Amino acid sequence: QVQLVESGGGVVQPGRSLRLSCAASRFTFSNFGMHWVRQAPGKGLEWVALISYDGSNKYYADSVKGRFTISRDNSKNTLYLQMSSLRAEDTAVYYCGKDLAAGTVDYWGQGTLVTVSS
Amino acid sequence: QSVLTQPPSVSAAPGQKVTITCSGSSSNIGNHYGNSYVSWYQQFPGTAPKLLIYENNKRPSGIPDRFSGSQSGTSATLDITGLQTGDEADYYCGTWDGSLSAVVFGGGTKLTVV
Repeated sequence: QVQLVESGGGVVQPGRSLRLSCAASRFTFSNFGMHWVRQAPGKGLEWVALISYDGSNKYYADSVKGRFTISRDNSKNTLYLQMSSLRAEDTAVYYCGKDLAAGTVDYWGQGTLVTVSS
Repeated sequence: QSVLTQPPSVSAAPGQKVTITCSGSSSNIGNHYGNSYVSWYQQFPGTAPKLLIYENNKRPSGIPDRFSGSQSGTSATLDITGLQTGDEADYYCGTWDGSLSAVVFGGGTKLTVV
């Protein structure tokens, strides 16, 4: 069964940076695109970013474009999200997900909480 | 405001059928040239979402056939038959938006089985 484990969440001050990681196992990581999706407390799902299987294509939500960078290391089976210039509205549980195709997330991690607060 | 529109809540009695709608536009659900298939996700409080339906109407392994999806024009629907109290959850639709070059989700629908 596919396993995705996020880490790196925590409390960070506005304007600072944070890097999330997602360790993938039990599937051929280098064959699939990967997503980051977030969910603010009590709110719905918000897609954040998608990276292609080889890292050559990256897509971002307008709300994070220019501040967040998605990347991957296929040799380590790990997905990353570098977040900078963090704002209070970035506070959310961040999920990594495996792309099935056409933007469908077929497996999700358990999520990691990021709280942006002074 | 979400790109895809869902009703905030729906309710029905155990054993009955409920339909959750997801309305979009020609750049997402109605974008047949861009392979904008609709997916549906189920989420229980405090847990990660789970894929229920993909490519408009396909079920992943292990998903009961009580859950079914369809798409027509710029809208999609999720039908749940034989409702059980264990189906109480939030349901989200999602798809690729060709104009935004982004995945878009609906705002979510809270299902109550009463």
